[in-house]
Amino acid sequence: SQELEQSPQSLIVQEGKNLTINCTSSKTLYGLYWYKQKYGEGLIFLMMLQKGGEEKSHEKITAKLDEKKQQSSLHITASQPSHAGIYLCGEGNQFYFGTGTSLTVIP
Amino acid sequence: KAGVTQTPRYLIKTRGQQVTLSCSPISGHRSVSWYQQTPGQGLQFLFEYFSETQRNKGNFPGRFSGRQFSNSRSEMNVSTLELGDSALYLCASSLVRASDSYEQYFGPGTRLTVT
Repeated sequence: SQELEQSPQSLIVQEGKNLTINCTSSKTLYGLYWYKQKYGEGLIFLMMLQKGGEEKSHEKITAKLDEKKQQSSLHITASQPSHAGIYLCGEGNQFYFGTGTSLTVIP
Repeated sequence: KAGVTQTPRYLIKTRGQQVTLSCSPISGHRSVSWYQQTPGQGLQFLFEYFSETQRNKGNFPGRFSGRQFSNSRSEMNVSTLELGDSALYLCASSLVRASDSYEQYFGPGTRLTVT
């Protein structure tokens, strides 16, 4: 089975600060998804990365896939309270998801 | 367009009972996947249905089963409930098979508590 490890497990930042969440796979990544989850609710699709070196941005969130390192990173610029939640990465088949990173943004 | 709906939203059951959860996908979506989410194990894949057929299955015991109807609505059943089955059960729909790399739209989940 494929394991996806996310780091850090939790993050508390001041509003306006930049932050990065990492997702590392135990096997070669053939695509990766990023989702956001509000506590106790369903997941919201953020981005899908399919090729090594691919980088996508949506508003203040940028995600990149580095297949050689079997890793993806999610970067948030100038964080806002609305960014708070749990961020999860999922491998291409969406059978396996990461352990999740809990983000708190302090106003 | 209505999102993915799951019913019921909350459920309390006793050990040994069985439970059926329902999921209505977004109109036009033919694939439905089910996941179990717990604090200890995180988000775990249960199964994926496409066109009324189970296409993929996660590593869960046979007590967990599901089905998909011709209108793409799906049900998940858990028999002989155990305390460890307490979890948030999420279903997700996609236009075609999510396992073929298509984004999924998740429902709000059903919170199951087994006492």
